[in-house]
Amino acid sequence: EPEVTQTPSHQVTQMGQEVILRCVPISNHLYFYWYRQILGQKVEFLVSFYNNEISEKSEIFDDQFSVERPDGSNFTLKIRSTKLEDSAMYFCASSGGLGNNQPQHFGDGTRLSIL
Amino acid sequence: AQKVTQAQTEISVVEKEDVTLDCVYETRDTTYYLFWYKQPPSGELVFLIRRNSFDEQNEISGRYSWNFQKSTSSFNFTITASQVVDSAVYFCALLDSGSARQLTFGSGTQLTVLP
Repeated sequence: EPEVTQTPSHQVTQMGQEVILRCVPISNHLYFYWYRQILGQKVEFLVSFYNNEISEKSEIFDDQFSVERPDGSNFTLKIRSTKLEDSAMYFCASSGGLGNNQPQHFGDGTRLSIL
Repeated sequence: AQKVTQAQTEISVVEKEDVTLDCVYETRDTTYYLFWYKQPPSGELVFLIRRNSFDEQNEISGRYSWNFQKSTSSFNFTITASQVVDSAVYFCALLDSGSARQLTFGSGTQLTVLP
């Protein structure tokens, strides 16, 4: 069964450094997402992406964050200058087709630890 | 605005017991979708079920069943004859037409199945 893959599984970064989290969505999917889960808390929406542009973003997704689809397969989340509070599990997801009824399939997540 | 409430933070049962996880949602839309995801200790998010607001039929899949009641805005999840491998955090999520494709998650219920 097709999967969303995320790399790396764990990223440790010094505060203030830039970090790029990578995702390969399911190949025929059209919509891509990033979510964040701070340890022990709920999963929170960050951003959705369709047709090479951001379609929606949350208040968490401030100017420090950016997303990109640099080629036909990868979807990246960049945090420009990391803060301690950026430590979390970051999930990439993708969904296919039109309409809201397509389930979002999640990758295994990248655990980001900011020191 | 949409909201999902999972009032049960933690549940412990003994293997083979049945257990029901509650989910109550709020939305102004008449068209919306409800989901359950499982997050095992390894951290990934696993899609379990999608339900649209026009289909109130209950669904059964093996030991899993879901009870959707629009009158009480609830979408409860029952595991029959629980097993140790069912131990995980279970998230209920809502997607309505007002939120593009942004999933709103509940805070999750930690289910522990004891041998």
